[in-house]
Amino acid sequence: AQKVTQAQTEISVVEKEDVTLDCVYETRDTTYYLFWYKQPPSGELVFLIRRNSFDEQNEISGRYSWNFQKSTSSFNFTITASQVVDSAVYFCALSEAAYNFNKFYFGSGTKLNVKP
Amino acid sequence: GAVVSQHPSRVICKSGTSVKIECRSLDFQATTMFWYRQFPKQSLMLMATSNEGSKATYEQGVEKDKFLINHASLTLSTLTVTSAHPEDSSFYICSASTSNYEQYFGPGTRLTVT
Repeated sequence: AQKVTQAQTEISVVEKEDVTLDCVYETRDTTYYLFWYKQPPSGELVFLIRRNSFDEQNEISGRYSWNFQKSTSSFNFTITASQVVDSAVYFCALSEAAYNFNKFYFGSGTKLNVKP
Repeated sequence: GAVVSQHPSRVICKSGTSVKIECRSLDFQATTMFWYRQFPKQSLMLMATSNEGSKATYEQGVEKDKFLINHASLTLSTLTVTSAHPEDSSFYICSASTSNYEQYFGPGTRLTVT
């Protein structure tokens, strides 16, 4: 079974629209970390956020916000007022205490196209 | 801080030859390094985990004799694709971890086998 599921394969929005990227995870560990990474066409992974399983507070960083809900095992990512530069593939990832947090499980990624 | 480099960024090689990819942590010592493979439009798949001075641990389905990993120092790990074939063409990404379990990713190496 997939440990991290990103059901949205590709999303297209027009600039200035808000967009939410979904991430659902599965783990038996009580201690784990969740991540979001951005991968622009150049291929380099850009770290966006790390959240541990004990911190359910939502986070906002500029136009980015994250909603962590353990009850639904979801860690969704919202971009407000999207811009063309936001176009990229976004990956959600999970690491677990069982593997000393070393093993990253990546979702399949969501490709975001922001059109001018 | 926490910069990881990979060399080369792109490589084209002929089928049957071997190619070596280097992964370096530039400003920190990495207790553990990881190698991922990413096929076009797919996710990153962990290939192996290596600790300095010991043998790498390979994920299920990854041929250890084909993908040789050497982690000679706390700042350098190498991945050698031996007898490369076109199906080995992929984007290879390394990451390095410190003792606080953060992983820092390299920029990736695009391998094309002709």
